[in-house]
Amino acid sequence: DGGITQSPKYLFRKEGQNVTLSCEQNLNHDAMYWYRQDPGQGLRLIYYSQIVNDFQKGDIAEGYSVSREKKESFPLTVTSAQKNPTAFYLCASSIPDSYGYTFGSGTRLTVV
Amino acid sequence: AQKITQTQPGMFVQEKEAVTLDCTYDTSDPSYGLFWYKQPSSGEMIFLIYQGSYDQQNATEGRYSLNFQKARKSANLVISASQLGDSAMYFCAMRAPSNTGFQKLVFGTGTRLLVSP
Repeated sequence: DGGITQSPKYLFRKEGQNVTLSCEQNLNHDAMYWYRQDPGQGLRLIYYSQIVNDFQKGDIAEGYSVSREKKESFPLTVTSAQKNPTAFYLCASSIPDSYGYTFGSGTRLTVV
Repeated sequence: AQKITQTQPGMFVQEKEAVTLDCTYDTSDPSYGLFWYKQPSSGEMIFLIYQGSYDQQNATEGRYSLNFQKARKSANLVISASQLGDSAMYFCAMRAPSNTGFQKLVFGTGTRLLVSP
């Protein structure tokens, strides 16, 4: 079955450490996205990529970095520069300009 | 700038009743799309229904219908015959061009729906 796989589901890290969240899709979608969700808030766009080897900052990119070396993969690194990294992170993909967005099941990151 | 407003933090409904979740939006772009997603406690976002700004008829998908009132900039979700499994967070979202031309999704803050037996 086609879909998006995010791993791990739960992630604990010490303050000051970088951590990388995985996102893999087998839908052959060109566009991929990372969103952050905080309690009581909607999803906010961190980074997006419309094509391999290209990505753009979203609304809250500070303290995050991404890469898009393969169409299937769009990993997100939460760096030590991110002031409040504890959150739920969702990855999504789509065919550009379509209305078919597919989301992964998310990674809950807790920084202690 | 595009904005989605969901004014109901929580809603209660009895099983088999209908419920309406409110959503208003703001955009100056004539071409946009409106979405509703369901997020159960497991966290994944489940697509429910889509309405394009130029669609003449309200969208329907099974028990879900979208009450689209363009002049009022509202896109309310109606769930008919509620089921216990409908208990979840519901998000309204809008896709519209950003200043770079990229079509991004903007989400509201969500409404938590609780269906009681």
